[in-house]
Amino acid sequence: AQSVTQLDSQVPVFEEAPVELRCNYSSSVSVYLFWYVQYPNQGLQLLLKYLSGSTLVKGINGFEAEFNKSQTSFHLRKPSVHISDTAEYFCAVTGAQKLVFGQGTRLTINP
Amino acid sequence: SAVISQKPSRDICQRGTSLTIQCQVDSQVTMMFWYRQQPGQSLTLIATANQGSEATYESGFVIDKFPISRPNLTFSTLTVSNMSPEDSSIYLCSALNRGRGANYGYTFGSGTRLTVV
Repeated sequence: AQSVTQLDSQVPVFEEAPVELRCNYSSSVSVYLFWYVQYPNQGLQLLLKYLSGSTLVKGINGFEAEFNKSQTSFHLRKPSVHISDTAEYFCAVTGAQKLVFGQGTRLTINP
Repeated sequence: SAVISQKPSRDICQRGTSLTIQCQVDSQVTMMFWYRQQPGQSLTLIATANQGSEATYESGFVIDKFPISRPNLTFSTLTVSNMSPEDSSIYLCSALNRGRGANYGYTFGSGTRLTVV
């Protein structure tokens, strides 16, 4: 079975500052990893995913994530955040069937 | 990737009643799932909807409370039975696209926001 831990429930940052949202996973098999964003009162939107190949994955809205197999991590980064990035971010893992979500990280951008 | 139509988008229901949520996918998919998102929480998997057989439920969820049907490869329903205020949540369906390479991924319905009064 797979599991995901998002190490920070809330991350406040100032506008135009860099941000990293941390995600660690546990699995006995090879995994695929995903980051989703959920804006207030909206549905899930895929930011990026790691399936195989390059460990650095680039997604939408300037986000990127790096898969680190030895540290079982898939941290999400953005070099400069905007007010519009305020949302809930979810890391998710699958062993190729059901998708398991982390607890979520609320990103708050302060002007 | 597949597109999912989920309905209703929201409902307010009396306690003790049942609500059935429908999800229609625009293409055949091998796997469909149902999730619950309680207020301010993450998504929790309720069950995997299996075509032509009983759903596979996760720990803490039972068929009597959340019966699921999947009569074919494009459609599934989730019923929330004998509802109580604790069932107030967003319910989402999802489909797995087993496409090659970058096409592999999960599609989500827009969710059903359920309020039980």
